[in-house]
Amino acid sequence: GENVEQHPSTLSVQEGDSAVIKCTYSDSASNYFPWYKQELGKRPQLIIDIRSNVGEKKDQRIAVTLNKTAKHFSLHITETQPEDSAVYFCAALGGYNKLIFGAGTRLAVHP
Amino acid sequence: DGGITQSPKYLFRKEGQNVTLSCEQNLNHDAMYWYRQDPGQGLRLIYYSQIVNDFQKGDIAEGYSVSREKKESFPLTVTSAQKNPTAFYLCASSIPPRSSYNSPLHFGNGTRLTVT
Repeated sequence: GENVEQHPSTLSVQEGDSAVIKCTYSDSASNYFPWYKQELGKRPQLIIDIRSNVGEKKDQRIAVTLNKTAKHFSLHITETQPEDSAVYFCAALGGYNKLIFGAGTRLAVHP
Repeated sequence: DGGITQSPKYLFRKEGQNVTLSCEQNLNHDAMYWYRQDPGQGLRLIYYSQIVNDFQKGDIAEGYSVSREKKESFPLTVTSAQKNPTAFYLCASSIPPRSSYNSPLHFGNGTRLTVT
């Protein structure tokens, strides 16, 4: 079935460093790839998304890249700050309009 | 706040009892979803509905049931057949994706269900 793998499961960086989270998906028909941030005890919130006709998208310190041939997409956070600490989920839109999520990456940014 | 209301925030039930989780949205979205979140396993899709009076099973539908009698409401019943019901349940809605437009999910604040 459809699957999204996300790595790493935990990531620890120093404030100001960059963080990269990688995902791979199995359904070649997937054409929409959102990223969600979930702070402790709160609901997931969309931070950035990318569609299959675009290779890269940037929004201030956050960027997402997509390699459709390899079925990879990645989240890049530059100049990390303590408030970036959260769990990040990637997702891919598969058949029957189902959004399949990765298992999540717990990012810790240390001052 | 986001237009999706889940209630209650915390719910406690005894084993063997059915329990219904409420999800209401005022975003005029056609599609609604239920996800289950367990530590280290991300979000897993239980059921989803693209339109009123229609719904489909997700990846882990066993032991759950839903109804979609109104556009605004998509209640989830956790039955006694669900072997491990204790979890954090998230409801979401979206405009259904079309060929040239994809809509993100809007999540509710979740219900934490504990069954003892």
